[in-house]
Amino acid sequence: EPEVTQTPSHQVTQMGQEVILRCVPISNHLYFYWYRQILGQKVEFLVSFYNNEISEKSEIFDDQFSVERPDGSNFTLKIRSTKLEDSAMYFCASKSWPAPTYEQYFGPGTRLTVT
Amino acid sequence: QQQVKQSPQSLIVQKGGISIINCAYENTAFDYFPWYQQFPGKGPALLIAIRPDVSEKKEGRFTISFNKSAKQFSLHIMDSQPGDSATYFCAATEETSGSRLTFGEGTQLTVNP
Repeated sequence: EPEVTQTPSHQVTQMGQEVILRCVPISNHLYFYWYRQILGQKVEFLVSFYNNEISEKSEIFDDQFSVERPDGSNFTLKIRSTKLEDSAMYFCASKSWPAPTYEQYFGPGTRLTVT
Repeated sequence: QQQVKQSPQSLIVQKGGISIINCAYENTAFDYFPWYQQFPGKGPALLIAIRPDVSEKKEGRFTISFNKSAKQFSLHIMDSQPGDSATYFCAATEETSGSRLTFGEGTQLTVNP
């Protein structure tokens, strides 16, 4: 069964450093998403991406965040200057639309720890 | 108006019992209501979903009840098993676009053997 993959599984970085989180969505999917989950809290939407551009972003997704689909398979989230409060699980998701399913498939996540 | 409120925060049931988790929303534009199951260290996985044109959907031991007028929906897990112990999130979205999922706060379910 196809699945969303994410690398690395765990990233430790120092405050102020840049990090790139990588995702490989399911191959025939058209919509791509990033969500984050701070430990013990709910999953929060960051950004959606369709047709090579951002289709929607949340108030969390400020200028320090960017997304890119550099080739036909990868989807990346860059945090330019990490802050302590960026420590969280980051989930990539993808969706095939409009058919055959509207389900967003989530990857296993990258745990980002900012020290 | 975008919020989805979920209760209870945690739930403990005995094996074989019924687990019930409730959610409420405000945005009447929401038209797709999935439930996700999350095990520790894993990403959320779709469990079951409903659209507002039906009041109930059942898949195996899992049932969603939907009350459009009250803007509420709930997940019922029949014959709960220890393997069902996980965190459950309700969510909502406007399905016709590529819209975001808005998640509830989550319910940590523990099923005792």
